[in-house]
Amino acid sequence: ETGVTQTPRHLVMGMTNKKSLKCEQHLGHNAMYWYKQSAKKPLELMFVYSLEERVENNSVPSRFSPECPNSSHLFLHLHTLQPEDSALYLCASSQEPRGGRDTQYFGPGTRLTVL
Amino acid sequence: GESVGLHLPTLSVQEGDNSIINCAYSNSASDYFIWYKQESGKGPQFIIDIRSNMDKRQGQRVTVLLNKTVKHLSLQIAATQPGDSAVYFCAENAPGNQFYFGTGTSLTVIP
Repeated sequence: ETGVTQTPRHLVMGMTNKKSLKCEQHLGHNAMYWYKQSAKKPLELMFVYSLEERVENNSVPSRFSPECPNSSHLFLHLHTLQPEDSALYLCASSQEPRGGRDTQYFGPGTRLTVL
Repeated sequence: GESVGLHLPTLSVQEGDNSIINCAYSNSASDYFIWYKQESGKGPQFIIDIRSNMDKRQGQRVTVLLNKTVKHLSLQIAATQPGDSAVYFCAENAPGNQFYFGTGTSLTVIP
């Protein structure tokens, strides 16, 4: 186990639904990340939080809204998604406050299907 | 933007043989590299890392080689086992503390 958990593991939603993905890290890390993993594509960084402050947003559509209430928890709120948003959403954490030259540890991911 | 590529999308090896998975990176200023293993239905799992001041680093049954001259990274797995079947991808840390990930090589171990 990596110490990073994600729920739910699978999610099917319609385009008009609102849902949230949850991530929790038990490693005492200071930075948390959301990634999107699509088939045959590299991991796409979506959001980075360092010490609960958002430090990076890689031009992600506003239908994805992150929330980091504390250093151990990270949420990704979803609304009015499109079918092309179907992917594996991965959460990761790292020790250093601003990530960088520090290993990121990943959760198991949430497999999202948008109908 | 940055690109991290893998030379082969798939690799099949016989159980007990050694495996070599390759990765090319594009930014000569990248100074930290990680290899991840991702099994079906799971998130990426850290295997081994290497910093740019090193050419080689060994772990348990795995070795990472870094050739900065040609911007090439490789992962060697000794005595490959069925449990090693997974997708392996590398990540580079480029200036600006941004990680870039490759698309992955799918390793299949034949019993």
